[in-house]
Amino acid sequence: DGGITQSPKYLFRKEGQNVTLSCEQNLNHDAMYWYRQDPGQGLRLIYYSQIVNDFQKGDIAEGYSVSREKKESFPLTVTSAQKNPTAFYLCASSTGTGRFKPYQPQHFGDGTRLSIL
Amino acid sequence: GQQVMQIPQYQHVQEGEDFTTYCNSSTTLSNIQWYKQRPGGHPVFLIQLVKSGEVKKQKRLTFQFGEAKKNSSLHITATQTTDVGTYFCVNAGGTSYGKLTFGQGTILTVHP
Repeated sequence: DGGITQSPKYLFRKEGQNVTLSCEQNLNHDAMYWYRQDPGQGLRLIYYSQIVNDFQKGDIAEGYSVSREKKESFPLTVTSAQKNPTAFYLCASSTGTGRFKPYQPQHFGDGTRLSIL
Repeated sequence: GQQVMQIPQYQHVQEGEDFTTYCNSSTTLSNIQWYKQRPGGHPVFLIQLVKSGEVKKQKRLTFQFGEAKKNSSLHITATQTTDVGTYFCVNAGGTSYGKLTFGQGTILTVHP
């Protein structure tokens, strides 16, 4: 089945540690996104990528980094600079957008719950 | 993208009652997407509205896009316990390609 796989499902971070969240998709989608969701809140965009080897900061990029070396993969690193990393992290993908076509729906993975030890 | 405001934040209904959530923007929106997130789950795309005054139906769900493209609504007729979750109205347009701007969502609880 096609879909988006996020791993791990639960992750614990120690003080001063960087952690990397995995996101893989086999939908052949060009665009991929990372969101953060805090309890009772909507989703906030961290980073997005519309094409391999290119990505842009979202609304809350500080303390996070990403790479897009392959079309299928868009890992997110939560660095020690992110002082409040406890949240639900969601990865999404879409067929992408273009100047002359409507925005496409985003397909989400099951998410990773990150907590501080 | 322009932030959308969604009301109410919470809604508790008895099974069989109707439910409506409203989404408003101070600026004209190019399009709106609606997503549903079950408790503990991830958002799932429901529908996209693009045209002014557009109305779309999915079984018991009716979605509307205002004439001025500044507001939208989702109405559920005769709620069921399977309707429980958070419904998000999302600004799918804006100045940055591919960027979705989520509202805070409406959390729906259905009492059997």
